[in-house]
Amino acid sequence: DSGVTQTPKHLITATGQRVTLRCSPRSGDLSVYWYQQSLDQGLQFLIQYYNGEERAKGNILERFSAQQFPDLHSELNLSSLELGDSALYFCASSGRLPSNEQFFGPGTRLTVL
Amino acid sequence: DAKTTQPPSMDCAEGRAANLPCNHSTISGNEYVYWYRQIHSQGPQYIIHGLKNNETNEMASLIITEDRKSSTLILPHATLRDTAVYYCIVRVSGYALNFGKGTSLLVTP
Repeated sequence: DSGVTQTPKHLITATGQRVTLRCSPRSGDLSVYWYQQSLDQGLQFLIQYYNGEERAKGNILERFSAQQFPDLHSELNLSSLELGDSALYFCASSGRLPSNEQFFGPGTRLTVL
Repeated sequence: DAKTTQPPSMDCAEGRAANLPCNHSTISGNEYVYWYRQIHSQGPQYIIHGLKNNETNEMASLIITEDRKSSTLILPHATLRDTAVYYCIVRVSGYALNFGKGTSLLVTP
């Protein structure tokens, strides 16, 4: 158990819909990262938050957005969903200095029909 | 960030040591070497990391060459549960991880 929790575990929805994925980092970790893993793309970094502020962006689509709340949990919002958005979405947190190794949650499996 | 090169696949007999190599010849002085593994669709699992020195924890050992251009992850007594994709990632601390294709390790009975 990494200490990072993600909800829900599975999500099935239709094209055009909007969903919210939730992540609770390990106690004390200030950084949260979101990654997407699809069959053909491998694990890809989407976005990073540090103590409530966006810190870095990766291959995140404009239809996707995220935020980190004062209690440090984070949410990833996916809108106007397309079939190609079906993937595993992982959240990771880090905070142990100086190496900042990341610990990953179990993921949310999103299926868009 | 530094590019890493890993063999696409490796086999190891159960109970033997698994030695997974990684080349990172363009590594910078402030970049760490991180190792993660992913067991079929589970969240990537942190294994170990190092900067310059060799490191050991309860899961594995990490050997980094003196010039830091390559490293080896050692699982001392591989079990069937160690079958996974292993990723070697070189990154400055605090930044996102760039997962490549990794090495698919198959541990056989």
